[in-house]
This record gives sequence, structure tokens and C-alpha cells, in this order.
Amino acid sequence: KAGVTQTPRYLIKTRGQQVTLSCSPISGHRSVSWYQQTPGQGLQFLFEYFSETQRNKGNFPGRFSGRQFSNSRSEMNVSTLELGDSALYLCASSLYQGTGYTFGSGTRLTVV
Amino acid sequence: QQQVKQSPQSLIVQKGGISIINCAYENTAFDYFPWYQQFPGKGPALLIAIRPDVSEKKEGRFTISFNKSAKQFSLHIMDSQPGDSATYFCAASPSGAGSYQLTFGKGTKLSVIP
Repeated sequence: KAGVTQTPRYLIKTRGQQVTLSCSPISGHRSVSWYQQTPGQGLQFLFEYFSETQRNKGNFPGRFSGRQFSNSRSEMNVSTLELGDSALYLCASSLYQGTGYTFGSGTRLTVV
Repeated sequence: QQQVKQSPQSLIVQKGGISIINCAYENTAFDYFPWYQQFPGKGPALLIAIRPDVSEKKEGRFTISFNKSAKQFSLHIMDSQPGDSATYFCAASPSGAGSYQLTFGKGTKLSVIP
């Protein structure tokens, strides 16, 4: 059974640019969540999607957005990148909302 | 009120010893408490999880102890092995509709020395 797949694995962007990250959940999983991981702040919740609807959003600026497609695949977008957006972005999927999240290996974003 | 406090930040244990990591929470709406293990370059992997209706759950060498009145829970790793060397995160989540999000502790870096 394939795990959660995130692409790309590594990304280098320039300040002011925008970026789109992709997440393919485990087959059958309908809930997809995104987290940002940094050495200083740890793991922080970005947003959660279920059945193509954003169900919950963390305390991040509007530059961070996402969406979920009918096949449960999800993308997140960060516009007007700042140096502080450099982080590991993790996607997690679960069969049901609220439990049993399986994380992908993440996308390492570096903003220069 | 959403905070989960984890200690210690780092832990060194001899092979065969017991590793103990503690977490405390404030939000009484939390009712799902998972532990994750993360190796460098990998995403967190779910180890074991507990709900407040039980005080202890064991899976292999990993045990969660849960104290609802103290709002604390801990992970015990028995017979710790060098392969257990990783960063461990506790987390908590409420289950009310629209509030499914994991709040993580800051992590504990465990080193198991031979």
C-alpha cells in the first residue's frame, strides 16, 4: 500500500515568488492536513481538507492557501514568499477526520 | 490553551534501558493523544495513540500512560535500542467537528547508546 506522496521533495525559491506543493494521500483517505515544521516553532497546523472542503485552518497569514481535488489529492500554495517561510511542509492523510494521520516525507522549501 | 508541553528536550539512554518522555496539556477538549517518531529526512510516523477513557495502552515495547485528572501523558520505551534513536513528538487533538488538528509538543531527541 503506497504511503502519502509529496512532491517535490526539495524546492528553492526566491523571496517574493510563489510556490505550489502537492500531496497524494493514501488510497481511500479523504482527510488531508498540512503542517509546517521549523526548528524554532516545531510542527504547526496549516489547514485540513475533507471531501474537497477546507474544514479547519491554522494561524497562518492568507498567503498560505490550499485546495483538495475530487480524488482527494491536495495542493498548498504560498504566495509572496518570505525568508521565514523556509521550512519542511508536511502533508498527512487519514481515513477519518481526527485520528490515525499518516505523514508524508515532506517538501523542504528554502527561500533565498 | 492549545499548548502541549513536552519534556525533556533531549534524552540519552543506555541500550536496554527505559526511555520516558512526558507531555502535559491544558485544553480539556483534547481527546486523542498520539505519539509520533521522526527520523532525519522523514515525516513523523505514528507510533501509538490513546484516548482518555483508558489509563494505559501498550504496543510492543511502547507504552502510553495517561492521567486525565493531571492532564498529563507519557511515552515509555522499554528495552531501548540504538534503532530507537529519533525525535519523538507527543500531540493532542479535539474531536469536535471543524476542529480536527493536531497540536504538537516541541519534540524530544532520543539517543540510545550501545
